Amino acid sequence: EAGVAQSPRYKIIEKRQSVAFWCNPISGHATLYWYQQILGQGPKLLIQFQNNGVVDDSQLPKDRFSAERLKGVDSTLKIQPAKLEDSAVYLCASSYGGLAEAFFGQGTRLTVV
Amino acid sequence: EDQVTQSPEALRLQEGESSSLNCSYTVSGLRGLFWYRQDPGKGPEFLFTLYSAGEEKEKERLKATLTKKESFLHITAPKPEDSATYLCAVQDTGSARQLTFGSGTQLTVLP
Repeated sequence: EAGVAQSPRYKIIEKRQSVAFWCNPISGHATLYWYQQILGQGPKLLIQFQNNGVVDDSQLPKDRFSAERLKGVDSTLKIQPAKLEDSAVYLCASSYGGLAEAFFGQGTRLTVV
Repeated sequence: EDQVTQSPEALRLQEGESSSLNCSYTVSGLRGLFWYRQDPGKGPEFLFTLYSAGEEKEKERLKATLTKKESFLHITAPKPEDSATYLCAVQDTGSARQLTFGSGTQLTVLP
């Protein structure tokens, strides 16, 4: 069974530029999560989708971050404009349902300079 | 607001030296407690889910236990390949059912 796919693996941008991350969840998984993990900390939820609807985006900085999940499968997370404090690993995860364990992709390491 | 605290932050063990990692949590209602392993440069890898106090799960040298306030991850006779960061997360009974993670315990097992 293929795991959660994310791209790119690494990205370096200057502050105020924009960036987008892509995620393809495990086939059949209805729930998709985007997490931000700052070095030395645990993952922090940014947004949770159930199929293509948003379940929770309370910790998403909506003035600069946006996410969409078209057709309930792939998802993209965008940052515009980026700030230095956005430097982190962005993890995508999926689960069969909201109650099941989540499986994570390898993440995208973003460096904002 | 859900809170998860893991201790110690870092732990160094000799190969074969058993120990335990702690995860204490505060939630309005616990739906599940999850343990993950994270290797450098990789995403977290699922290990266990525990649902109710008194429950135990085992996998190779790892055993997870749950009480009403905390969970322990016991590592018996660890090997260098067990070196990783171990993350604990809780899922509450609210409608969003998000996972709230602790900051992790970085385990190093020396040969």
